[in-house]
Amino acid sequence: GQNIDQPTEMTATEGAIVQINCTYQTSGFNGLFWYQQHAGEAPTFLSYNVLDGLEEKGRFSSFLSRSKGYSYLLLKELQMKDSASYLCAGRLDFGAGTTVTVRA
Amino acid sequence: EAGVAQSPRYKIIEKRQSVAFWCNPISGHATLYWYQQILGQGPKLLIQFQNNGVVDDSQLPKDRFSAERLKGVDSTLKIQPAKLEDSAVYLCASSLGGASGAGETQYFGPGTRLLVL
Repeated sequence: GQNIDQPTEMTATEGAIVQINCTYQTSGFNGLFWYQQHAGEAPTFLSYNVLDGLEEKGRFSSFLSRSKGYSYLLLKELQMKDSASYLCAGRLDFGAGTTVTVRA
Repeated sequence: EAGVAQSPRYKIIEKRQSVAFWCNPISGHATLYWYQQILGQGPKLLIQFQNNGVVDDSQLPKDRFSAERLKGVDSTLKIQPAKLEDSAVYLCASSLGGASGAGETQYFGPGTRLLVL
């Protein structure tokens, strides 16, 4: 399996930047996903990294270091609607999620 | 394109009763997953199907949970008998294909919220 660890919660101000870190065990690595889950809703896909480096998609970027078993999701120019749980996931294993609260 | 459909959206039952959930994946998606998400936790895979065959059911509590995907499209997940700790959201997801599901984006349905009293 891929034990996945991420912080439980983070708080940031509207317009700011937040970085959510994720560490995982590298056995059987097949790429790393980030999903966004608003309260009471299903997860939706944000990004997928299989090679080292940074993948940028608008205000969201995701980084992967396979040798370190480490990834992060970077949220820029935070908006109130970004308040949600962000799930780091391996092949079929999900972290517990990081709840991000954006304050005005 | 229609998304993953699930029903019912909510279900309240008493312990020891039975319950069944239904999922219709995105058209053309060969792989279907059932997850259990307990409040405050990430989704936990229960079972993965590739067409109508089971790929992974290692975390499915087989003494009480069962799932089938007889024609390789719709799927049902059943709990019999239910326990209090089964209270959770049951998420169905689908992806295009590939036996291991490696590197494939999963598309989730809205989930079924189960409360066992």
